[in-house]
Amino acid sequence: AQTVTQSQPEMSVQEAETVTLSCTYDTSESDYYLFWYKQPPSRQMILVIRQEAYKQQNATENRFSVNFQKAAKSFSLKISDSQLGDAAMYFCAYPNAGGTSYGKLTFGQGTILTVHP
Amino acid sequence: DAGITQSPRYKITETGRQVTLMCHQTWSHSYMFWYRQDLGHGLRLIYYSAAADITDKGEVPDGYVVSRSKTENFPLTLESATRSQTSVYFCASSVEGVHEKLFFGSGTQLSVL
Repeated sequence: AQTVTQSQPEMSVQEAETVTLSCTYDTSESDYYLFWYKQPPSRQMILVIRQEAYKQQNATENRFSVNFQKAAKSFSLKISDSQLGDAAMYFCAYPNAGGTSYGKLTFGQGTILTVHP
Repeated sequence: DAGITQSPRYKITETGRQVTLMCHQTWSHSYMFWYRQDLGHGLRLIYYSAAADITDKGEVPDGYVVSRSKTENFPLTLESATRSQTSVYFCASSVEGVHEKLFFGSGTQLSVL
């Protein structure tokens, strides 16, 4: 079964600094997507960034970028110029589609990010 | 307002009782999902649906029942609640399945005493 692993239960960063959250996954697929979701204290799940595996270029959304290493099955999230509003739980997710056009989105265990002023 | 809404936001029940969590979306998205969130496990898929009258099991379906008679509604029923079903439940929808962005509801925090 495909798995998604976030090995850092908690991380902390100083405001304006950079932090990287790690994620590894296991798959036999060659074409797939990867996601990072953010869950602030409000509990609302918010999509941060999406990476398409067939694209060589790492995805970027403003201060958020990924380091996607397909061979290593690694998908880390880099947050630059961290802000207090970035404090949240972050989930890495992999769509376990199994060849169908829809399927099971498997989430990692989550990483709680604390931002210190 | 358009979007995906869950009700109730909080629910306390007793073991053995039947509980139904509601989910309604106004976008006419084809795909809908139910997840439960537990510390240390992230979100785990309970059931999903590709369209009205089409549902399928996810990773942790035991003890749950779903139906989708209309595209916009996807209720989740706990037939006989157990303490292990204490969790936060999220409903989500998407246009084209899991390759696209999921839109989440605000969750239902369920406590089974």
